[in-house]
Amino acid sequence: SQQGEEDPQALSIQEGENATMNCSYKTSINNLQWYRQNSGRGLVHLILIRSNEREKHSGRLRVTLDTSKKSSSLLITASRAADTASYFCATDAYGQNFVFGPGTRLSVLP
Amino acid sequence: EAQVTQNPRYLITVTGKKLTVTCSQNMNHEYMSWYRQDPGLGLRQIYYSMNVEVTDKGDVPEGYKVSRKEKRNFPLILESPSPNQTSLYFCASSLPPSTDTQYFGPGTRLTVL
Repeated sequence: SQQGEEDPQALSIQEGENATMNCSYKTSINNLQWYRQNSGRGLVHLILIRSNEREKHSGRLRVTLDTSKKSSSLLITASRAADTASYFCATDAYGQNFVFGPGTRLSVLP
Repeated sequence: EAQVTQNPRYLITVTGKKLTVTCSQNMNHEYMSWYRQDPGLGLRQIYYSMNVEVTDKGDVPEGYKVSRKEKRNFPLILESPSPNQTSLYFCASSLPPSTDTQYFGPGTRLTVL
């Protein structure tokens, strides 16, 4: 299946720094979404970017999408300790079957 | 409050003993889905449903059954659980998935001994 792959697997930064994580996927998509998961809890939707969009912002989040490279990036600016979580990208190729990557574990140190 | 609920939240059972994990949403969503989450593997889709009486297999359907008799409910059934089904399970719902976000339940941690 067309699984997304996040990179890096784990990231540790200081509070106030920016965090960038990447997602690559294998086949054409309709849209790509980013989710956050606090330890052991349900996922929370962060942002959705459609295949015809290149960049999207939401508060401190900035997502880019490069369909030619089949990749996306999530940038969290001015990170806070509360941003500590796992981040997943999910791709939706045919409107039916979402595929999630294994996630990036972000630690923001105070 | 708009939400997806799952029950039970925690379950320890033994091999072969049939169990059902319930999932209910109050947002009138057409699309519902079940995932399992295992360390290092992320979330893998088990089954999904586009609407009432319409279900389809995801990436890892073996050993699971689902039904969608009502729009709000989407139970996950393990007819004969095995230890390799020990996992964290999430139910999710959304409007048509290509245009909207998925709302996740709080998760069910299942241990099969």
